[in-house]
Amino acid sequence: AQKITQTQPGMFVQEKEAVTLDCTYDTSDQSYGLFWYKQPSSGEMIFLIYQGSYDEQNATEGRYSLNFQKARKSANLVISASQLGDSAMYFCAMRERTGGSYIPTFGRGTSLIVHP
Amino acid sequence: DAGVTQSPTHLIKTRGQQVTLRCSPKSGHDTVSWYQQALGQGPQFIFQYYEEEERQRGNFPDRFSGHQFPNYSSELNVNALLLGDSALYLCASRGGRDTEAFFGQGTRLTVV
Repeated sequence: AQKITQTQPGMFVQEKEAVTLDCTYDTSDQSYGLFWYKQPSSGEMIFLIYQGSYDEQNATEGRYSLNFQKARKSANLVISASQLGDSAMYFCAMRERTGGSYIPTFGRGTSLIVHP
Repeated sequence: DAGVTQSPTHLIKTRGQQVTLRCSPKSGHDTVSWYQQALGQGPQFIFQYYEEEERQRGNFPDRFSGHQFPNYSSELNVNALLLGDSALYLCASRGGRDTEAFFGQGTRLTVV
């Protein structure tokens, strides 16, 4: 079974609108971390936001927020007021404690295109 | 403050050859991880180095090996290259209690 599932291969949004990118995860660990990264065409993975499994409040970083629903094992990324520069691939990742070291597993990504 | 730097940016190799990719971590970071990202996929964890030792390894054959130097920089070596090794190879570094990893721009390897 996949540990991270991103069901939306591609998403389109109008500039200045909000968009939600879906992510569900599978783990039996009680302690884990969830991440979202942005990958523009240049290839670099840019960290956006982090949510710890014990964090009670949803993480927010500027225009990014993470809608964390622990019981449903979902960690959706919400981007408010989309900008043209938000067009990129977005990856959800989970870090579990494996063998004493936290190793992240990435989903297959969602391609976001922002229209003017 | 330079972030994570990788070299070279692009590389073309022939099947059966060997390749070495290099990574300099972000200043102050002591843990380096390598990932393989095939076209249309998410990054796959190869291995992680800390204190010059391989600490964790993903599901990759022994043809993939690495090294970490005292200055925390790292190399990824791939022997007996296969066409399927063509991918973007990403290096990421972390330090101390950082929750997130910082990535370089990657090395795009093409095996022909």
